[in-house]
Amino acid sequence: KAGVTQTPRYLIKTRGQQVTLSCSPISGHRSVSWYQQTPGQGLQFLFEYFSETQRNKGNFPGRFSGRQFSNSRSEMNVSTLELGDSALYLCASSNRGSTFSYEQYFGPGTRLTVT
Amino acid sequence: GEDVEQSLFLSVREGDSSVINCTYTDSSSTYLYWYKQEPGAGLQLLTYIFSNMDMKQDQRLTVLLNKKDKHLSLRIADTQTGDSAIYFCATGDYNQGGKLIFGQGTELSVKP
Repeated sequence: KAGVTQTPRYLIKTRGQQVTLSCSPISGHRSVSWYQQTPGQGLQFLFEYFSETQRNKGNFPGRFSGRQFSNSRSEMNVSTLELGDSALYLCASSNRGSTFSYEQYFGPGTRLTVT
Repeated sequence: GEDVEQSLFLSVREGDSSVINCTYTDSSSTYLYWYKQEPGAGLQLLTYIFSNMDMKQDQRLTVLLNKKDKHLSLRIADTQTGDSAIYFCATGDYNQGGKLIFGQGTELSVKP
């Protein structure tokens, strides 16, 4: 089975711009979660989508948004980029909703640099 | 609030056992994870344990859970240089869906 894929892998943007990151979960997985990883704050939960619905949200400003499509692929968007948004953005997929699995599998991440 | 604490560094000799410790505060944690991250990579799921278990063994990995003290440990037997990485402990609550709370990570250095 192919793993979680994230595109692009690297991105450089300018302050004030917006960015869209994409995540394709493992085939058959319906839940996608997003995390931000920075040296200062570590790994922080952004939001989770399940069957196209946002099911949980972390403590991030409204500039961070996401969505999920009917094929379970997910995108996250960050508008009005700030220098502090520079981070590794990780996506995780799981087949949550099944009785038997709580495993979350992570993709390689998108490294976003804001200049 | 929810918090997960880990020591930041651990150095061991190749062939020794490594023990990475983690404490957490959320008593409603339903399942607890160990992830490994190598430089420039995402997180690799190593193992997880349900809160109603005390121990789980998976090849060279042994996870111990002391629910009373909210303490989780990961023991790696016969540690190899390829085990050098950052190890993250994370907790999840069934009622919180996919939200995991991560520790800061423990950097394991294995010396030959």
